[in-house]
Amino acid sequence: AQKVTQAQTEISVVEKEDVTLDCVYETRDTTYYLFWYKQPPSGELVFLIRRNSFDEQNEISGRYSWNFQKSTSSFNFTITASQVVDSAVYFCALSEDAFLNAGNMLTFGGGTRLMVKP
Amino acid sequence: NAGVTQTPKFQVLKTGQSMTLQCAQDMNHEYMSWYRQDPGMGLRLIHYSVGAGITDQGEVPNGYNVSRSTTEDFPLRLLSAAPSQTSVYFCASSYNLRGGPVNEQFFGPGTRLTVL
Repeated sequence: AQKVTQAQTEISVVEKEDVTLDCVYETRDTTYYLFWYKQPPSGELVFLIRRNSFDEQNEISGRYSWNFQKSTSSFNFTITASQVVDSAVYFCALSEDAFLNAGNMLTFGGGTRLMVKP
Repeated sequence: NAGVTQTPKFQVLKTGQSMTLQCAQDMNHEYMSWYRQDPGMGLRLIHYSVGAGITDQGEVPNGYNVSRSTTEDFPLRLLSAAPSQTSVYFCASSYNLRGGPVNEQFFGPGTRLTVL
């Protein structure tokens, strides 16, 4: 069975601070996919990134960066120079490879609520 | 493209009532799914479908039925609503091929359901 743990339920920072959201996962598969989604106060879910288990390269997209470490089963998300608009709930999710049914049943972590104060 | 649409946005039911949450997508995605979101628990998979005529259970299927007669639509039926089904429901779709990589899911705006 797969599991995703986001130990930080709430984080509060002041604007322009850097912040890292932690994500630890468990899976028995050797092929799997990791995702991050953002849920702003308006409630919709916004896709941020997908990473497969064979690609351990870190990724940077503007102020966002992701650090994938298979050795520690972690896929952490860092926001540099946070802004008030970054205030949201962030979810990490895992999908095991589903060769037979082409499904991608996502297992979500409990989410981290990030509050960025001006 | 409208993406993934859900109706209604809000719904209040009494215990024992039944209803159907509608979900439609216009991206020709084979894979569709339903999740529920409860405070502090993230999203949990209720049912999913890998194509028209094919559905399967997720993590929390009890009390819900689904069917998939077309690629576009994936309704979720509550058979006899209970207060424990008070939640926010999200429908999602993605483009996946058997044996291919797992792609991101696109989510609808959600339906907030309250069962009294």
